[in-house]
This record gives sequence, structure tokens and C-alpha cells, in this order.
Amino acid sequence: SAVISQKPSRDICQRGTSLTIQCQVDSQVTMMFWYRQQPGQSLTLIATANQGSEATYESGFVIDKFPISRPNLTFSTLTVSNMSPEDSSIYLCSVVVTRAYGYTFGSGTRLTVV
Amino acid sequence: GQQLNQSPQSMFIQEGEDVSMNCTSSSIFNTWLWYKQDPGEGPVLLIALYKAGELTSNGRLTAQFGITRKDSFLNISASIPSDVGIYFCAGQRYNNNDMRFGAGTRLTVKP
Repeated sequence: SAVISQKPSRDICQRGTSLTIQCQVDSQVTMMFWYRQQPGQSLTLIATANQGSEATYESGFVIDKFPISRPNLTFSTLTVSNMSPEDSSIYLCSVVVTRAYGYTFGSGTRLTVV
Repeated sequence: GQQLNQSPQSMFIQEGEDVSMNCTSSSIFNTWLWYKQDPGEGPVLLIALYKAGELTSNGRLTAQFGITRKDSFLNISASIPSDVGIYFCAGQRYNNNDMRFGAGTRLTVKP
């Protein structure tokens, strides 16, 4: 399966600022996703990062708040904009290489907004 | 929102005991997956199931894809301390490329 490098691994940010999270994959992948995991909760899909076109957002998530870039098949970024304490979560990048391997996750970015 | 109901929410067991957890849905899924998440890490795939009725093992772990395609269970036999963590079920449909996750089962193993 793929190896995912996600940066930063953690950050503490001031409210009102923005943070960009990077996801680098060691092989070309068609499907790339961004998930959010709030403290003590399960994973919720934010959006599908589409290469060469706008990301597809799930209900409750909008591009102005979570802009996503996908310039090629190995890299994507997620920006958390105008942060508030409610944005404190773990943000995870996920890819699918082949159906047999399921979805592979990065180790996540633990964000704390103060 | 979440469409998978995972139970139990948490389990406290003695080392050596067997564990069972399950996931149900009101919708049909074409693939069921079970993940484990350790603190500070992303979820790691344990078992993937692709056919209704399929029973698959991975060491001490066994999982089954329900006949109705609306449920799955995961069993862990002879638990050990390193089994501690949060276990998530996930379902995927052919029409959608994303996965939906259960709420997770937090497993504690007492030595």
C-alpha cells in the first residue's frame, strides 16, 4: 500500500488564523480524501480532493472554510481558515491505491486552536 | 452524518479473553472494513471484506460480512495488552468512493 507523509503532525494556532496541512504520497493515487476526527469521536469525511478540479465537499463543509488543492496525483493540501476553538481536531489525509488495500491513512495533524 | 451503528462503545477485558464487536447499518454496503487506531496515529486497516457472507481471518482477528450486507462483526481471540486501542468499522458503496465510519469501540485490556 501507499506511504503517506502528513505535515505538520501537530500545531497550536491562534483563533482567526489559517493553517495549511500537507499530504504527500509515495506513489500516484487517483483517490485522495480529507477527514476530520474531533476529540473522542469517529472520522468524518470533509471532502474528496480531485486532481485538476475543485474538491467535492460533504454536507456541512464548505470551500471557503476548508480550501483544498490537488496539483498532482501525489500531493494535496487542506487549509483550515479563520480558525476557532471548534476547529480543534485531528485532520487526516487518506488515499486508496487498490481496492484490496482499502484506504490508507496518514498519521494525522493534531490541531489545537486557542 | 454517520450511517453506521457500532457497538459496544467501550470494552474492558482481561488479557486472554475473547472480544466481539459489531456494526450495523440501515443501508447496504458493498465493502466492510475494520480499522484500529492507536493514540497519535491514523487508523490502520485490519481486515477488508468484499462479499456478503465472507469470513476472513488475520491472525487472532476474524471478521464477517453479513449476508444482508447491512452488518459486520469483528472478533479478537485471546486478547493481549497491545490490542488496546480504538476499533472502527467502515462501509463503502460502489457508487461512492468515500467510506463511512462507525463511532468506534474503545478496547482496554487488563494484564
